[in-house]
Amino acid sequence: KQEVTQIPAALSVPEGENLVLNCSFTDSAIYNLQWFRQDPGKGLTSLLLIQSSQREQTSGRLNASLDKSSGRSTLYIAASQPGDSATYLCAPRGGGGTSYGKLTFGQGTILTVHP
Amino acid sequence: EAQVTQNPRYLITVTGKKLTVTCSQNMNHEYMSWYRQDPGLGLRQIYYSMNVEVTDKGDVPEGYKVSRKEKRNFPLILESPSPNQTSLYFCASSLNRQGNTEAFFGQGTRLTVV
Repeated sequence: KQEVTQIPAALSVPEGENLVLNCSFTDSAIYNLQWFRQDPGKGLTSLLLIQSSQREQTSGRLNASLDKSSGRSTLYIAASQPGDSATYLCAPRGGGGTSYGKLTFGQGTILTVHP
Repeated sequence: EAQVTQNPRYLITVTGKKLTVTCSQNMNHEYMSWYRQDPGLGLRQIYYSMNVEVTDKGDVPEGYKVSRKEKRNFPLILESPSPNQTSLYFCASSLNRQGNTEAFFGQGTRLTVV
């Protein structure tokens, strides 16, 4: 059964800092991994999708890396802004067994960026 | 615009009163699923559907039913809601369950059962 851990659980930083959010997963048999953003009480907004054959994916100030064999992904946020404050979730999509096709979510990293 | 639409967004109901949360997607996706989100437990899959008339249980299916009569719609049915089903519910869809597929989520339905 896939298990996903996100570290740190919470992060509070001043505006302008570069950040790294970590995600680890136990089953490396995945099709892809998706990073989401969730504002309090709101839906999930997809940030980046990395295929299992890719090492990195970039969108604006966001860069996500994937090391499938070691079960790790990182989300790098450059020059953080107060508007980046949200919960960030990673979710690998299972490639076989009982997790086939399913997104398994971590608990998330709660990010607060102070002006 | 590609989207997943859930209704209602907020619902307060009483124990035992049957309810349905609707989910519709406009992307001709085959794979749809329902999740619930609870503090400390994260998002957990309730049911999923690989295509029309094909549904299966996720991790926490007890107390829920689903149907997939049309490709675009995937309603979640609570036949006899109980307070432990108070939660934030999300519907998601993707082209299929494998490969190059991005998941799209609805805006969520906050359900309170009293």
